[in-house]
Amino acid sequence: DAGVIQSPRHEVTEMGQEVTLRCKPISGHNSLFWYRQTMMRGLELLIYFNNNVPIDDSGMPEDRFSAKMPNASFSTLKIQPSEPRDSAVYFCASSLVPFGNTIYFGEGSWLTVV
Amino acid sequence: AQKVTQAQTEISVVEKEDVTLDCVYETRDTTYYLFWYKQPPSGELVFLIRRNSFDEQNEISGRYSWNFQKSTSSFNFTITASQVVDSAVYFCALTSDGSGNTGKLIFGQGTTLQVKP
Repeated sequence: DAGVIQSPRHEVTEMGQEVTLRCKPISGHNSLFWYRQTMMRGLELLIYFNNNVPIDDSGMPEDRFSAKMPNASFSTLKIQPSEPRDSAVYFCASSLVPFGNTIYFGEGSWLTVV
Repeated sequence: AQKVTQAQTEISVVEKEDVTLDCVYETRDTTYYLFWYKQPPSGELVFLIRRNSFDEQNEISGRYSWNFQKSTSSFNFTITASQVVDSAVYFCALTSDGSGNTGKLIFGQGTTLQVKP
């Protein structure tokens, strides 16, 4: 079975450019999470969708960040404009509600903003 | 508040040694789940185990075993006869019904395990 699929795996961009990260959750899963991993802050939740609807976006750092989930099989995380401090690994994950079911992670998108 | 503490930042062992990774959690909820994930050098997060708060039975899977003790709020992970391929960062995580039923995971800071040949 296919796991959570993320693209791109690696992205290097210049400050000020728009970055779009993409995610395809596991088929049949109805919850989708975007996490960010940095050395300073570890793994932190950015946003959570349930049945394509954003439920909790309290972790989104600022207005430069936005996330969408137009259908059950696709989500994007956009940063516009990007800044060097956005450099991190961005993970997409999915699971099946109710809570407590295993959350499966993608391989991550490694973003470097120079 | 929910919190996961992995006090060991880095552990280094020689191959074939046993090693235990500690995890202490905090939650006021009675229903919760604990997880362990492995992050190898390639960077992906690999699910290892899930345990709910009502099941304190220890679990063994090959060289891996987990000890869940509610009395001490701990969920420790032991690797027996460690191998170089076990070198990775290991994360303990918690989700509880107090998270609004979102399933949101609270992660510890991770323990970096280095197994030397």
